[in-house]
Order: sequence, then C-alpha cells, then structure tokens
Amino acid sequence: SQQGEEDPQALSIQEGENATMNCSYKTSINNLQWYRQNSGRGLVHLILIRSNEREKHSGRLRVTLDTSKKSSSLLITASRAADTASYFCATGIQGAQKLVFGQGTRLTINP
Amino acid sequence: EAQVTQNPRYLITVTGKKLTVTCSQNMNHEYMSWYRQDPGLGLRQIYYSMNVEVTDKGDVPEGYKVSRKEKRNFPLILESPSPNQTSLYFCASSSLYPGQGKSQPQHFGDGTRLSIL
Repeated sequence: SQQGEEDPQALSIQEGENATMNCSYKTSINNLQWYRQNSGRGLVHLILIRSNEREKHSGRLRVTLDTSKKSSSLLITASRAADTASYFCATGIQGAQKLVFGQGTRLTINP
Repeated sequence: EAQVTQNPRYLITVTGKKLTVTCSQNMNHEYMSWYRQDPGLGLRQIYYSMNVEVTDKGDVPEGYKVSRKEKRNFPLILESPSPNQTSLYFCASSSLYPGQGKSQPQHFGDGTRLSIL
C-alpha cells in the first residue's frame, strides 16, 4: 500500500472557504513535502516540513505534522478559484533515496 | 532562471520504436529522478541518480533505462516501448536526496506525455 495516503481524494468548496487535506504515512520520515499540480502540468513545491517541526506557514498555507500519529495536514485559507488543482503529499523516508508520493487530493474551488 | 527542462513535451509513437526523453537541469543538482504518473496510481519513481555515473532503480524500472554522464542531464530511454508505458512522465532534481537530513524540495519539469500505439 502507499506510504502516503491522502484524504479526501476529492474536495469541492466555495471560494473564500478554507480547505483541509490530510496525509498519513507508515514509516519514519525525515521530511514531508506538499506539492500542487495544475491539470496535466508539472508539480510545484509548496512547503517542506522536517520531522522535528510541527507547523509551518507560507502565505495562505499552513502545514502541520504529527509524527506520533504519522500524519500531516495542509490547510488553505480563504480559497480562490486559482487554488483549483491536485495536491500531493510526499515523504522523504529516513536514509532513502526517493520521495514517495500519495495519490493526491483533487481540490475544486467553486466561484 | 532555475529550471528542469524536458523534451519532448508530447510524443505519439509505435510499439518497439526506441525513444529517448531528455531532461536537463541548470541548478547544479546532484540528485535527479524520473517518475511516471498514471490515473489512480499517483506518481511512481522509475529511476533515480545520486550523482554522475550513479543510478539506481526506483519502484517501476522495467522497460526503462537511464544514464547520467553529465551532472545536468538525465535522459530516460525506452528501448522497446510498449502500450503499457503510455503515461505522463516527470523529471525532477534536487540538491540532496529526499531522505537526507537537510533535504530540499524537488524541482519538476513540465512533463512529457507519451502515447505508445
């Protein structure tokens, strides 16, 4: 099964509302990263949070990490139509040479 | 501008006809990686490279080859493409590999959409 599993798989909200996406993982990590992908395009890095950090902010984005529960969440506040995209969490496993991606959450912001 | 450049962006070809997808980065990154993205399966790593002449298999390496003769380039080679390799491919690079203590985010190319008929 996937190292990173995201919930929900799809989320549709009204513009201006907050969007929360969750990611769970199984093994010990060094870091967890969130990426955004607009339809059919490349992935754009949003936030990297290390295993010794609990929360990070970047503009309207807030990421939390709970290593005891092996979970992370991405909160987008005051959503905009331009936030419509797929969001992926990816885990950097300690000592491993690869990033393991979840299957993503498809976020739709309705005007 | 820091970027990862893939070529071609789109390719339709036929079974068995060898093809190469090029990837180049201008950030002097040591780590480079190839992923394929398929509906319902997310992104899966094909091959990665820790440095020049150092490559290793990812999760789905069958049917693919790579080389890393120069630091900036990491081509993906399909020697005998088959229809199950129809997919969206991404190249990525970063200064350190993902599991390192000071790991940095990966930079992704815009993707190559391959259709194998």
